[in-house]
Amino acid sequence: AQSVAQPEDQVNVAEGNPLTVKCTYSVSGNPYLFWYVQYPNRGLQFLLKYITGDNLVKGSYGFEAEFNKSQTSFHLKKPSALVSDSALYFCAHTGFQKLVFGTGTRLLVSP
Amino acid sequence: GAVVSQHPSWVICKSGTSVKIECRSLDFQATTMFWYRQFPKQSLMLMATSNEGSKATYEQGVEKDKFLINHASLTLSTLTVTSAHPEDSSFYICSAKTGRTEAFFGQGTRLTVV
Repeated sequence: AQSVAQPEDQVNVAEGNPLTVKCTYSVSGNPYLFWYVQYPNRGLQFLLKYITGDNLVKGSYGFEAEFNKSQTSFHLKKPSALVSDSALYFCAHTGFQKLVFGTGTRLLVSP
Repeated sequence: GAVVSQHPSWVICKSGTSVKIECRSLDFQATTMFWYRQFPKQSLMLMATSNEGSKATYEQGVEKDKFLINHASLTLSTLTVTSAHPEDSSFYICSAKTGRTEAFFGQGTRLTVV
């Protein structure tokens, strides 16, 4: 089955430090990969996507993600975390229709 | 980015009544809309996929007679929870997309059945 996995339920990082939220994929063919963020009691906000092209994808709010085909990974990164980045992050992939989500990773950025 | 509006943001209803949730794509035409349910501290569970003008495709285990989905136009889909029970209380989220572009999400609806 095609899927994405987020191995960490929670990531803790101090403000100002770099952050990484991990995602691996198991998708046949060319993967279409996404990162979304969810704040409490809100819908999901799109951060970035990888369809084709450069392996390093830059997105909203200073986030970026690196597509690594050999490691089947698409980790989300930010050079310097903010307290306001604390939220729930979802990795996802899509075929033509369905968007399939990982289990989510809660990011906590401490002051 | 594109805007998806979901209404209402929250609703409280009595057990046995029906509740309708609307999802509108405000500045683009959505060939496909999705309805998700999210339990506390959990990921999104896809309930159904709807294409404009055709019947929704429900995921396994989702009761289509209980969760009625209508996608009457390229900008509007509705989810009606019929004969609601307390166990239907949840956070419902819609999303909309065109082709293989990213999906855009509504702000969610918190349903509480008392």
